[in-house]
Amino acid sequence: KAGVTQTPRYLIKTRGQQVTLSCSPISGHRSVSWYQQTPGQGLQFLFEYFSETQRNKGNFPGRFSGRQFSNSRSEMNVSTLELGDSALYLCASRSGTAQYEQYFGPGTRLTVT
Amino acid sequence: EDQVTQSPEALRLQEGESSSLNCSYTVSGLRGLFWYRQDPGKGPEFLFTLYSAGEEKEKERLKATLTKKESFLHITAPKPEDSATYLCAVQAGSGNQGGKLIFGQGTELSVKP
Repeated sequence: KAGVTQTPRYLIKTRGQQVTLSCSPISGHRSVSWYQQTPGQGLQFLFEYFSETQRNKGNFPGRFSGRQFSNSRSEMNVSTLELGDSALYLCASRSGTAQYEQYFGPGTRLTVT
Repeated sequence: EDQVTQSPEALRLQEGESSSLNCSYTVSGLRGLFWYRQDPGKGPEFLFTLYSAGEEKEKERLKATLTKKESFLHITAPKPEDSATYLCAVQAGSGNQGGKLIFGQGTELSVKP
């Protein structure tokens, strides 16, 4: 079974721009969560989507948003990029609400200049 | 506030030298504790889930244990290929918190031949 895939793998953007990252979960998984990983803060939860609905949100500004499609694929968007948004953005999927194990993708490395 | 603390931050071992990594947690209602392995530039790789105190899981040279306040990842006779950052995470709370993992800062393990 194929794992979680994320595109693009690397991205360079300029301050003030916006960016959209994509995630395809493991086949059959309906929940997708997004995390930001930085050397200083470690892995921090952004939000989770299940059946196209946002179920939970972390402590990030409104510039960070996401959505999920009917095929469980998910996108996250960051508007008005700041230098501090440079990070590895990780997507994780799990099969459903009763199963807590999450499986991560390879991540998208975003650099903001 | 839910919190996860890992120690040590870094650990250097000689090949064959067994040791343990610690993960202490303070959460309201533990649903599960997870161990992941992360290689540089990659997403975390799932290793174990532990749900209740006294539970143990094993995989090759790794063994994870859980008490009411902490978890240990024991590494027996490590090899250089075990070098990676080991992450501990907890899933806490109830209701719609299922997708939110709280991560520790990780232990960077280096095994020299």
